[in-house]
Amino acid sequence: DADVTQTPRNRITKTGKRIMLECSQTKGHDRMYWYRQDPGLGLQLIYYSFDVKDINKGEISDGYSVSRQAQAKFSLSLESAIPNQTALYFCATSDSGTGADTGELFFGEGSRLTVL
Amino acid sequence: AQSVTQPDIHITVSEGASLELRCNYSYGATPYLFWYVQSPGQGLQLLLKYFSGDTLVQGIKGFEAEFKRSQSSFNLRKPSVHWSDAAEYFCAVGARGFQKLVFGTGTRLLVSP
Repeated sequence: DADVTQTPRNRITKTGKRIMLECSQTKGHDRMYWYRQDPGLGLQLIYYSFDVKDINKGEISDGYSVSRQAQAKFSLSLESAIPNQTALYFCATSDSGTGADTGELFFGEGSRLTVL
Repeated sequence: AQSVTQPDIHITVSEGASLELRCNYSYGATPYLFWYVQSPGQGLQLLLKYFSGDTLVQGIKGFEAEFKRSQSSFNLRKPSVHWSDAAEYFCAVGARGFQKLVFGTGTRLLVSP
C-alpha cells in the first residue's frame, strides 16, 4: 500500500458542486500539504498544516478549504467548484522530527479533478 | 522570497545521449535543493537532494546534480538517457526549518529512438 493515499484518484463534477479530496498517510509525518498542478505552472501550494491544530494558507488558497482531522488525515474541499479549478491535486507529507527537518516532501499519486 | 527557474519547458534527447536539465534558484541563505521526477499518471518521486557538503550529489536511476553557489544553479545530469527517463522533472528549493518547498515550472523530457 502507498504511504500517502489520495481519494478519489479521478473525479468529474459540475460547476457549483461541493467536492472533497481526501489524503491519508502511514508515514507518521506531522506535516501535510496540498498542491495543485497545472500544465506550465508547476506545483502551487494551496494549504499546509504543521500539526493537527495548525493550518496555513499557501499561495492559492482562495476557493479552497482544508481540514486536518488527525495527524494522518488532511482533506481539501472545494465549496463551490468552478471550471478553472480543473487540475491535478497532490497531497504531500514531510517530517519535522529531529534530524529530519529537511523539507523533503513525499507525494501521493494525485487526484485529477475536472469541473464542467 | 524563494524562487526557482527552469528555463527549458521541453527537451528532446536521443536515447543513449547525455542529458542536462537546468535549474536556477533565488534564495538569500543556504538552500536545500531537490529534483523530483513525475512519470505519466504518477506522483512525484524524489531523484536527489542537496543539503550541504559535497556539491556533486548522486541520486537514483543514474542521475546526478551539481550545486554551484556562484551561479545559483543546481543542474541535473545523466550520462546516458534511457527511454524510460521520459517524464517531467521538477526542481525545488527549501531551507532548514522552512518547510515549504517552492517548485519550478518543470521540464518535460522526451526521448527519441
